[in-house]
Amino acid sequence: EIVMTQSPATLSVSPGERATLSCRASQSIYDNLAWYQQKPGQAPRLLIYGASTRATGIPARFSGSGSGTEFTLTISSLQSEDFAVYYCQQYSTWYTFGQGTKLEIK
Amino acid sequence: QVQLQESGPGLVKPSETLSLTCSVSGGSISTYYWSWIRQPPGKELEWIGYIYYIGSTNYNPSLRSRVTISVDTSKNQFSLKLRSVTAADTAVYYCTRGSLRNNYGPYFDYWGQGTLVTVSS
Repeated sequence: EIVMTQSPATLSVSPGERATLSCRASQSIYDNLAWYQQKPGQAPRLLIYGASTRATGIPARFSGSGSGTEFTLTISSLQSEDFAVYYCQQYSTWYTFGQGTKLEIK
Repeated sequence: QVQLQESGPGLVKPSETLSLTCSVSGGSISTYYWSWIRQPPGKELEWIGYIYYIGSTNYNPSLRSRVTISVDTSKNQFSLKLRSVTAADTAVYYCTRGSLRNNYGPYFDYWGQGTLVTVSS
């Protein structure tokens, strides 16, 4: 099983600043990575697939990068609605999720 | 806009079978991969399995012996059965639509709101 490890577990950032979230795969997954945003009591929402392609309707302030085993989700200028939990998911071999990064207001 | 809605009992007794149905609206269930994903309270997401609209399935190896996913294209629905449940199966269960990219996937582009299923006597 491919293990996805996200860091940090919690990230405190002020509105308007940049947030950088990391995700590491235990073996190469090429660019077969997706990012999701989950708010309390809601289902996850797809943000990014193919490591860097924004899903339909996702604002340009969200960007993804990386390939192989190291990936990054960047939110360029945090809005109030962006504070949530973010998960990465690999779909290269089976389907596994990271444990999540909680993005909280500083 | 594609919408998914889970339905089924919120409480299941230990050793019994958990049964959920997902109704798809705003689009056809034909094409795409239809998955079930669960999230125990306060924990991460776990993929359970998927069905392709023609009926082929793929299950998480850790759950394969207990899971069956089926599809009813005439009703635009797909279903989950998880047998011999224990307290460890207590979770929010999501149904999702999955898409491929470059023949890899699926990744999950539409999600139902989720339904909490508690296993308890």
